[in-house]
Amino acid sequence: DGGITQSPKYLFRKEGQNVTLSCEQNLNHDAMYWYRQDPGQGLRLIYYSQIVNDFQKGDIAEGYSVSREKKESFPLTVTSAQKNPTAFYLCASSLGTGDYEQYFGPGTRLTVT
Amino acid sequence: GESVGLHLPTLSVQEGDNSIINCAYSNSASDYFIWYKQESGKGPQFIIDIRSNMDKRQGQRVTVLLNKTVKHLSLQIAATQPGDSAVYFCAVPYSGAGSYQLTFGKGTKLSVIP
Repeated sequence: DGGITQSPKYLFRKEGQNVTLSCEQNLNHDAMYWYRQDPGQGLRLIYYSQIVNDFQKGDIAEGYSVSREKKESFPLTVTSAQKNPTAFYLCASSLGTGDYEQYFGPGTRLTVT
Repeated sequence: GESVGLHLPTLSVQEGDNSIINCAYSNSASDYFIWYKQESGKGPQFIIDIRSNMDKRQGQRVTVLLNKTVKHLSLQIAATQPGDSAVYFCAVPYSGAGSYQLTFGKGTKLSVIP
């Protein structure tokens, strides 16, 4: 089955710890995205990558970091510098050039206490 | 950048009735629009899209209408079912050059009353 997987579904961390969220796709998509969703809110873009070894900051990149060493993988690290990290994190991918439709993973709910 | 807004954050409809969810956008140059459905605790799923050279597009039980004059689009769901209960987002391409990002609205939560 083709798709996007995110793991884990639920993640709990203590304040001050960095945590890495996994995102893998087997759709052969060039572009990948990370969004944050807070209750009752839309999706806000954290980082995106249009091609391997390249990524750009989105609207709310502060306190987050990413890497894109492989086409299939786009992990997101939530650092201790992120002031309000508790949220639902969504990863998405798209073909890239000429195609806007994004395919989403199931999401990871991160709770930091 | 683009801004996208929805007219109503919540909508309750009786099972079997038609639902209409509205969305407004700010960039008159937007040429592509997508509707997503997000069920509780899950990632958004593509429902239907429309390009700016069309006024209307139909899918299975869904219709999207685009009014470029007033920069407004709507999603109509026919014979709404309990499985349609979800949050619905409209999205438009980000206006930045060379980017395939989407800007999402805040979403409308549709509740279907059995």
